[in-house]
Formats: sequence, structure tokens, C-alpha cells
Amino acid sequence: GQNIDQPTEMTATEGAIVQINCTYQTSGFNGLFWYQQHAGEAPTFLSYNVLDGLEEKGRFSSFLSRSKGYSYLLLKELQMKDSASYLCAALDSNYQLIWGAGTKLIIKP
Amino acid sequence: DGGITQSPKYLFRKEGQNVTLSCEQNLNHDAMYWYRQDPGQGLRLIYYSQIVNDFQKGDIAEGYSVSREKKESFPLTVTSAQKNPTAFYLCASSRTGEADTQYFGPGTRLTVL
Repeated sequence: GQNIDQPTEMTATEGAIVQINCTYQTSGFNGLFWYQQHAGEAPTFLSYNVLDGLEEKGRFSSFLSRSKGYSYLLLKELQMKDSASYLCAALDSNYQLIWGAGTKLIIKP
Repeated sequence: DGGITQSPKYLFRKEGQNVTLSCEQNLNHDAMYWYRQDPGQGLRLIYYSQIVNDFQKGDIAEGYSVSREKKESFPLTVTSAQKNPTAFYLCASSRTGEADTQYFGPGTRLTVL
């Protein structure tokens, strides 16, 4: 079956760095997405990786290893507004997104 | 401004009633999607459409119906056959139905009493 695993909840301190991991098993693979979702709101796009390696976009970076079925989202210089859920989703061979349950990130002052 | 709109934000219905959720996009995207989000679970695909007048069932289509008569619009009807309809419903669109980013509307929270 197809599956995405990510931690349920993480806590970090304002100004620090946090890494949110995601492992995936899909029928075929056409890339991996990360979205941010604040409570009660819609998911917003953060990143898309299809090749191995690290993609940096300001304070946020995303890494992919296709051979290991693994990705992570790295958030630097954490701000209180980064408190949200972070959703990992893998695109399978039929171009369907398989979603993880999301990681709730709590930022403490 | 280009974007996706969903209305209403909150919806209350009595058990046994059908209800239609609206989704409109002005991004000129070909593909549109409906997802359901429940606490502690990933988004689950209800229906998707890659082109006008065509749509496919997702993983949890039972109890739902859709239409795609216009490129901009993809309404979802939650029928009385849906056993547990209370959820957060998200509409999304993408340029094509392949490896393109999906952009989401603000969502509709449906509560069935």
C-alpha cells in the first residue's frame, strides 16, 4: 500500500532550527511536496522536490533522498508565526498526491 | 487577484439533507480537486477533474457527487448517503493534472446535526 509517515507533533524554541522528517512508500514517484497549514485554514505550498538534494528557499529548506524514500523540511530562525501543521505529500505514478497526517509544530518563546 | 474561492466558510445541515459546496477558480487551471480533512488524518481525495465535462472518483467518493460544466467551477454535493459528512472540505486546482502544484481554497467546514 501507499503510505506517508511523519511525526505527529514537535516543539521548538523561537529563533532555533527544527527538522521535520517524512518517509514515503508509493507506487511510483513523481516528486514530494511540503505544505504549511495554520489551524482552520487552507494548506499553502512551501516546496517541491523531485531530484535528490537540498532546495533552499529563504528560512525554509527541503531535502529529498529518492533511494531512501525520505524527505525533510528544515526551518531556520523560527518565528512564532511558524506555529502550524506541516504536511508532506508524495506524487505517485498516477500523479495522485498521497498525504501524510501532518506534523503540528509548536513554537515556544 | 487570481485565486480559489469556496463558500460558505461554515455550513450547518440536518442529517438526511443534501448540501452543495461551491468552488470557483480564476487561475485558468485545467485540473480541480476535492479533499476531505479529518483530525489526525491526511487529506483524502474525494473527486478530481482534469478537464471540463470529465471527472474521476478518488479514494472516498461514496456519498458524494460532482459536476464540471465550466472550467472555473467544480461544485461538490454531499448526499444523505454519506455516513459521516461532518468534516473540513478543501477544494484545490492545478495547471494540469500532472506534476503541478495544487493551490487550495479557504475550505468549508460542514457540520451535520
